[in-house]
Amino acid sequence: GEDVEQSLFLSVREGDSSVINCTYTDSSSTYLYWYKQEPGAGLQLLTYIFSNMDMKQDQRLTVLLNKKDKHLSLRIADTQTGDSAIYFCAELHDYKLSFGAGTTVTVRA
Amino acid sequence: DAGVIQSPRHEVTEMGQEVTLRCKPISGHNSLFWYRQTMMRGLELLIYFNNNVPIDDSGMPEDRFSAKMPNASFSTLKIQPSEPRDSAVYFCASSLRAYTDTQYFGPGTRLTVL
Repeated sequence: GEDVEQSLFLSVREGDSSVINCTYTDSSSTYLYWYKQEPGAGLQLLTYIFSNMDMKQDQRLTVLLNKKDKHLSLRIADTQTGDSAIYFCAELHDYKLSFGAGTTVTVRA
Repeated sequence: DAGVIQSPRHEVTEMGQEVTLRCKPISGHNSLFWYRQTMMRGLELLIYFNNNVPIDDSGMPEDRFSAKMPNASFSTLKIQPSEPRDSAVYFCASSLRAYTDTQYFGPGTRLTVL
């Protein structure tokens, strides 16, 4: 079965980099995703990585995938107050998205 | 293009009442998903439709829950009768193809059953 784990909280100073970590168990996952959820809102797709890639960069976002350790990370450069939200890691296996519990990121001035 | 549209955004009802949640997927998307989000259980897949046909409803909690997709642009999730433990945020998502494409989520319906 699928099991995705994330740390629950991260506090970061404005302008610093944030790194959110995630581990998953299903080695046959095809895609891995990062979604962002702001209070009272839906899940916004941030980025994704195909399982045969090691890294993907998209503006301030960098995704690293270590397939051997089944470890995924999201780095946000120059973190801003608007980055305060809950970040969900998810893996896609067949049609099923399995989500982690979410990491609450708080950006302090 | 409009994203996934859900209505209502908020619903407050009393135990025992029927609740109907609505979803309009992104035009051209063939797959539709209903999820439930709670503090205790996180995000759970309730049901998955492909080309309007229910493929996997193993996540539907019990017979009080039912979902339909009468056409490619509309789906409903119905709870009858509703119970306080059904209080949650219900999300609809759609994708072009379920096995390979990104799922895009609607804003959700926050349901409170008193």
